Amino acid sequence: DAKTTQPTSMDCAEGRAANLPCNHSTISGNEYVYWYRQIHSQGPQYIIHGLKNNETNEMASLIITEDRKSSTLILPHATLRDTAVYYCIVRVGGFQKLVFGTGTRLLVSP
Amino acid sequence: GAGVSQSPSNKVTEKGKDVELRCDPISGHTALYWYRQRLGQGLEFLIYFQGNSAPDKSGLPSDRFSAERTGGSVSTLTIQRTQQEDSAVYLCASSPTILRTGMTEAFFGQGTRLTVV
Repeated sequence: DAKTTQPTSMDCAEGRAANLPCNHSTISGNEYVYWYRQIHSQGPQYIIHGLKNNETNEMASLIITEDRKSSTLILPHATLRDTAVYYCIVRVGGFQKLVFGTGTRLLVSP
Repeated sequence: GAGVSQSPSNKVTEKGKDVELRCDPISGHTALYWYRQRLGQGLEFLIYFQGNSAPDKSGLPSDRFSAERTGGSVSTLTIQRTQQEDSAVYLCASSPTILRTGMTEAFFGQGTRLTVV
């Protein structure tokens, strides 16, 4: 799996958009970008994934650059409950282990 | 049940004793993962089962750690001769495998908190 680089921590004001970047410059053509988050004392939770196109679901949007070397997870209106560690992972798909890096600790403040 | 179930939720054991941690994945999920998370640390991959394939054991930290998955369903993680550094939350996850879309959302259990005293 390609390595990813994320900032260690970020802050965001409640109600504002949170934009979490991820660099994956060595990503292969068949590797997907996945995002998970882990809220304190809970197991990780899947957020979204994509291959080439931008994706949106009820939780977030995923913007992948045209060269696929980086992506951004967008939480459009962050709430206090979005405070968590966010993990960006790249992997081929179902037949590879899911390995978490160190992630970005997002703190949403009132 | 609807989700991944792990038992026990908490386990306190004496140094040197063996422990078994259980994971009941979501029915029909072909993939099963074990992770370890020490206090304040990230998720450390331990082992990965995928269908009938040989498991990926590359994350097991020592030969004191082993895992089985019987009948493609329930999994047991065994730690022999426990040490204090084994104290952590052990998380299990399962996922379906849908090759076409790459969609392999992993569903996590609530974990087993192991304390070695």
